[in-house]
Amino acid sequence: DAGVIQSPRHEVTEMGQEVTLRCKPISGHNSLFWYRQTMMRGLELLIYFNNNVPIDDSGMPEDRFSAKMPNASFSTLKIQPSEPRDSAVYFCASSLLGGSSYNEQFFGPGTRLTVL
Amino acid sequence: SQQGEEDPQALSIQEGENATMNCSYKTSINNLQWYRQNSGRGLVHLILIRSNEREKHSGRLRVTLDTSKKSSSLLITASRAADTASYFCATDNYGQNFVFGPGTRLSVLP
Repeated sequence: DAGVIQSPRHEVTEMGQEVTLRCKPISGHNSLFWYRQTMMRGLELLIYFNNNVPIDDSGMPEDRFSAKMPNASFSTLKIQPSEPRDSAVYFCASSLLGGSSYNEQFFGPGTRLTVL
Repeated sequence: SQQGEEDPQALSIQEGENATMNCSYKTSINNLQWYRQNSGRGLVHLILIRSNEREKHSGRLRVTLDTSKKSSSLLITASRAADTASYFCATDNYGQNFVFGPGTRLSVLP
């Protein structure tokens, strides 16, 4: 398996533009997580899905952020409009759900977003 | 404040020495996990310890968990330059939330 795949790896955009980050989880995994990492705030869980259904989006900073998982093999995180403070590395991770606990997560390489 | 907090924030040791990192948390947990992150990369899962376990080993890694003190430690024995990375603990609050600590930056000097 190729692991979790994220695209693009780097994104530079201007304030106000729409940004779409993409993630392909590991085949067979039924949980998917979006994280944001910055020096100031560390690693933050934004949202996670179980069986393609959003379970907890309390970490999504504001309405400018939205995430979808139309099928088991694809998810997007969209920022519209983007702002400089959204600059960060965004990670996608997938896992195999086991009961009501978080199991080992497999992380993608991340997307480094820079908003000018 | 964060659920999981690692201590120290940064650690420098010589190759061959042991490295110990600690993690403290505040609420009850189902399991606690340790991850490693090399610069510019995604996190890699190292080990998971459940709340009813006290110690777990994986190669040169040894993790302990003290639920009465709400703390865990990660010991890396006979460290190597390749162990240089940031190490994070993450706590699972019975599926309610999953929180990473700020991490410990480990530098292993040759």
